[in-house]
Amino acid sequence: TQLLEQSPQFLSIQEGENLTVYCNSSSVFSSLQWYRQEPGEGPVLLVTVVTGGEVKKLKRLTFQFGDARKDSSLHITAAQPGDTGLYLCAGAHGNKLVFGAGTILRVKS
Amino acid sequence: NAGVTQTPKFQVLKTGQSMTLQCAQDMNHEYMSWYRQDPGMGLRLIHYSVGAGITDQGEVPNGYNVSRSTTEDFPLRLLSAAPSQTSVYFCASSYAGGAYGYTFGSGTRLTVV
Repeated sequence: TQLLEQSPQFLSIQEGENLTVYCNSSSVFSSLQWYRQEPGEGPVLLVTVVTGGEVKKLKRLTFQFGDARKDSSLHITAAQPGDTGLYLCAGAHGNKLVFGAGTILRVKS
Repeated sequence: NAGVTQTPKFQVLKTGQSMTLQCAQDMNHEYMSWYRQDPGMGLRLIHYSVGAGITDQGEVPNGYNVSRSTTEDFPLRLLSAAPSQTSVYFCASSYAGGAYGYTFGSGTRLTVV
């Protein structure tokens, strides 16, 4: 059973479209992180959100932490082919970092 | 600054063989973790450590051992390899876990035949 549920599992969109990836749990996390992973490489940290209701922006990416610190979303505006990859959310639970199953994003030009 | 270094990058084992996956970090991070990544299942935590001499089990610890004798190194030992342990293994480190984020190595692709 996944502690963190990510949706959708797979997303294929055209360049220029917007998209949102969701990360949900019944557990409260002290922080939530988003990573991006490319084939053959390890995940790379995009952002960490700590406070309930927090919103962080990283260029065309907007990250939000739910008020109750149980869920998060990643919104990409005007997606580009370079955004293609596996997006993973991860929640800090005590001393552990637990991951969702990931969302595979493919942006077609 | 090398970050997190994992060796080997690829390994093929026969069922029943043992081996050690190496992980070293040069960032003086206290927290280190081992994950395995299987298709459709994200990363699952095997073992983790919050400092030298301290280790604990994650979600899927069976068949694996770890030790942490130094801050820099966190090796993962497979005691008797099984085909179910075929996976990609990632080591990660963090200054203090939680809000600090983790730095990952580039992974070890292990096949058990």
